[in-house]
Amino acid sequence: NAGVTQTPKFRILKIGQSMTLQCTQDMNHNYMYWYRQDPGMGLKLIYYSVGAGITDKGEVPNGYNVSRSTTEDFPLRLELAAPSQTSVYFCAAGQATYNEQFFGPGTRLTVL
Amino acid sequence: QKEVEQNSGPLSVPEGAIASLNCTYSDRGSQSFFWYRQYSGKSPELIMFIYSNGDKEDGRFTAQLNKASQYVSLLIRDSQPSDSATYLCAVPAGGTSYGKLTFGQGTILTVHP
Repeated sequence: NAGVTQTPKFRILKIGQSMTLQCTQDMNHNYMYWYRQDPGMGLKLIYYSVGAGITDKGEVPNGYNVSRSTTEDFPLRLELAAPSQTSVYFCAAGQATYNEQFFGPGTRLTVL
Repeated sequence: QKEVEQNSGPLSVPEGAIASLNCTYSDRGSQSFFWYRQYSGKSPELIMFIYSNGDKEDGRFTAQLNKASQYVSLLIRDSQPSDSATYLCAVPAGGTSYGKLTFGQGTILTVHP
């Protein structure tokens, strides 16, 4: 099992560009999450999903959008990229019963 | 008050020593607590979780929970250079959490030979 996979690993965007960060899990977990991590900081929740077709905002949703059409996939969309969105983005999957979350390898995004 | 607070460190200990990492939380209703380890440039991985007051041991790692004082700690015995990483404390988000976690800012641990 691959667990949680993310693509791309690295990306440089120009201000105002858009992109989609991909996240796929093969663990059959209903719950999925997107976090951002800035240098020296913990993880901030951007969006989460409790199942296909159901998403909700986390702590820092502005500038992002998500969709969840299948159990496996949970893409994160950045519209009109801004330098403040320079960060490392982690996708995670989990089962609420245990609160344990399994993380993907991350995407390092730079907006110039 | 932040929901989860950790000493940001960095914490430096010699090889073979005990490393002690601390975390305080604000929600008295929190029932479970998690410690994640994150190597530089890598993703977090769960190393310990604890639900009950007292100690929970797993190999060289011991989690200690004191609900009355609202703190949870992680002890690493016989520290090794390979333990050098950032350690993140996490608690379930309040209300209907849907598995959501609130993370502390992490403590950087360096174990020097």
